[in-house]
Amino acid sequence: DIVLTQSPALAVSLGQRATISCRASQSVSISRYNLMHWYQQKPGQQPKLLIYRASNLASGIPARFSGSGSGTDFTLTINPVQADDIATYYCQQSRESPFTFGSGTKLEIK
Amino acid sequence: QIQLVQSGPELKKPGESVKISCKASGYTFTDYAMHWVKQAPGKGLKWMGWINTYTGKPTYADDFKGRFVFSLEASASTANLQISNLKNEDTATYFCARFSLDYGGYRYWGQGVMVTVSS
Repeated sequence: DIVLTQSPALAVSLGQRATISCRASQSVSISRYNLMHWYQQKPGQQPKLLIYRASNLASGIPARFSGSGSGTDFTLTINPVQADDIATYYCQQSRESPFTFGSGTKLEIK
Repeated sequence: QIQLVQSGPELKKPGESVKISCKASGYTFTDYAMHWVKQAPGKGLKWMGWINTYTGKPTYADDFKGRFVFSLEASASTANLQISNLKNEDTATYFCARFSLDYGGYRYWGQGVMVTVSS
């Protein structure tokens, strides 16, 4: 199975940049497709797709969210961070079954 | 608009069974696979597997082989998850999510069903 590693938590001041990383135990890229996706989850809610295929902004998601990376190293950036962004962020790979998730990074306000 | 609406919360005893549903609307049900995700209280997301809504063939992650069954009522655009011989560790919220090859991830999710297993 592909293991995705995320830091448990990140504290950022409002208006600053948040950088959340996700490292895969093996490449999740096929040809030009980087099959890594990012979700935001707030308590009591279902996850929301933010970024698909590493760098594509999902419909309706504010442009302060962006994604980058390829191979095994991926990053979700939120800039600037707003109060509404307090949530847990998960990466997920769909390169191969099982479609594993990272353990999640909880974004906190400093 | 596209929606996935799941059934209501369940309270069960160990050893019992539960069947939860995920009703899709706003698109052609058989055009997209349905995936299932477990989230234990206070924990992260765990991928359970998926069902091909065109053929009905299910695929299970290793931890969900045996007591878990994915099924369809295609005429009702509904996917089901049945868990038999419930254990305390099955206490969790279960989400259905529509998989899109275009995205490679899940743009649409059900609201989740909380299953509580307690004697």
